[in-house]
Amino acid sequence: LAKTTQPISMDSYEGQEVNITCSHNNIATNDYITWYQQFPSQGPRFIIQGYKTKVTNEVASLFIPADRKSSTLSLPRVSLSDTAVYYCLVGESGGSQGNLIFGKGTKLSVKP
Amino acid sequence: NAGVTQTPKFQVLKTGQSMTLQCAQDMNHNSMYWYRQDPGMGLRLIYYSASEGTTDKGEVPNGYNVSRLNKREFSLRLESAAPSQTSVYFCASITTRYNSPLHFGNGTRLTVT
Repeated sequence: LAKTTQPISMDSYEGQEVNITCSHNNIATNDYITWYQQFPSQGPRFIIQGYKTKVTNEVASLFIPADRKSSTLSLPRVSLSDTAVYYCLVGESGGSQGNLIFGKGTKLSVKP
Repeated sequence: NAGVTQTPKFQVLKTGQSMTLQCAQDMNHNSMYWYRQDPGMGLRLIYYSASEGTTDKGEVPNGYNVSRLNKREFSLRLESAAPSQTSVYFCASITTRYNSPLHFGNGTRLTVT
């Protein structure tokens, strides 16, 4: 199982770009990297997923270096509503979904 | 399309009481999961079911039992509740389709006094 390590918390201001890095040194060949966002009193929701290089969608970008031992979630021009906890999850995609263990997450606080 | 539905939303138990948390998904997903989240903490995996008819322990299974009733439903039972089980419980499901994410319910907030 690939264990993940993220910063416990980060602060930012509205309009800035925020980059949250996750370390996963023992990622396996079949593992994908998925990021989730969680607001208080809600279940986590999917933001973005990738395997290698760069993935971009309407809300974020995900950068994964060639060795795949880390990944960086990039949130462009954050707003107050981006204040949440962000989790990176590493696990096998396709086939039998096994033991999906979350790390402790990064609490992002966006200030005006 | 409701996604993942958890019942009840809130529950208060006395120490020693039992209860079952219900979870159902309507997305035809194969795998289902139960997590707990203590205040200010991350998600910890209790049990999961990779497919109908199978269940496996996660990180913190002690004090819990699960049943994968059918493909749609995955229940979590506390046989004798303890104050340490006060938490928010999230159910999630995922398909085995390539490149798919977890879908979470809105949680059950459980207080054991």
